[in-house]
Amino acid sequence: EPEVTQTPSHQVTQMGQEVILRCVPISNHLYFYWYRQILGQKVEFLVSFYNNEISEKSEIFDDQFSVERPDGSNFTLKIRSTKLEDSAMYFCASAQGPTNEKLFFGSGTQLSVL
Amino acid sequence: AQKITQTQPGMFVQEKEAVTLDCTYDTSDPSYGLFWYKQPSSGEMIFLIYQGSYDQQNATEGRYSLNFQKARKSANLVISASQLGDSAMYFCAMREGWSGAGSYQLTFGKGTKLSVIP
Repeated sequence: EPEVTQTPSHQVTQMGQEVILRCVPISNHLYFYWYRQILGQKVEFLVSFYNNEISEKSEIFDDQFSVERPDGSNFTLKIRSTKLEDSAMYFCASAQGPTNEKLFFGSGTQLSVL
Repeated sequence: AQKITQTQPGMFVQEKEAVTLDCTYDTSDPSYGLFWYKQPSSGEMIFLIYQGSYDQQNATEGRYSLNFQKARKSANLVISASQLGDSAMYFCAMREGWSGAGSYQLTFGKGTKLSVIP
C-alpha cells in the first residue's frame, strides 16, 4: 500500500539552527499537511498546503516556519531558528482530495532541539 | 470547551476480547468527520477508521467499528478480538466543515493507551 515517507526519522539540532524536515506524500495526493506532537501531548495541526500555496495555518505556524513543495514529489517544513520548545514529533500527512476521507500520516520525524 | 474528549487515559483488555474506546465530540457544524488513529510505541500514526456526520451506517474496517451516536455526540471505537499487536495509543480526531473545502485540519483528543494482556 502506498505510504507517506518522512526523513530523517530523528533530527538533533542546536537552538538557533535551521532545520528542514522532508516528506514524500503519496503520489496521487493533492493536499498536504504538517502536524506536530510534543511528548505526551495532543497532536496539533500546523499547516495545510494545496495547489502550491498554504490554505490554512495554525497559531503555532509563525514566521519561523515555512513549507515548500520544491518539486513534484517532496514537501518540506523549514524551521528557521529552532527553539527548545520546537522539540516534538513532526508528522507529514496527505490526502487525495476533498472527496477522499482518508488522511494518511507518515511515520514522523522526532526533532530534538538542544 | 474541549472539542474531542477521550475520558479513558488507559485501558486493559484480555487478548481475544472486544474493547470499546470512548470518544465524545463538540461541534455546532452540521458537517464534520470523525477519525480514529493508532499510534504504536514506534510513533507512527496509523489511520483506522472514518465516520462522516451524514453517513447513515456505522463505519467498519475489519476488526474496527465505530459506534456513532450522533445525538449523544459520541464516536466510540470498538476493537473486536483484541490482539497483542493492538497495544498502542489510540486517538480520536475530528474535522469540521464541508469536506469539499479539502480541509483536514483535524482536532485530536488526548488519546487512550490500550494494553492487551495475554
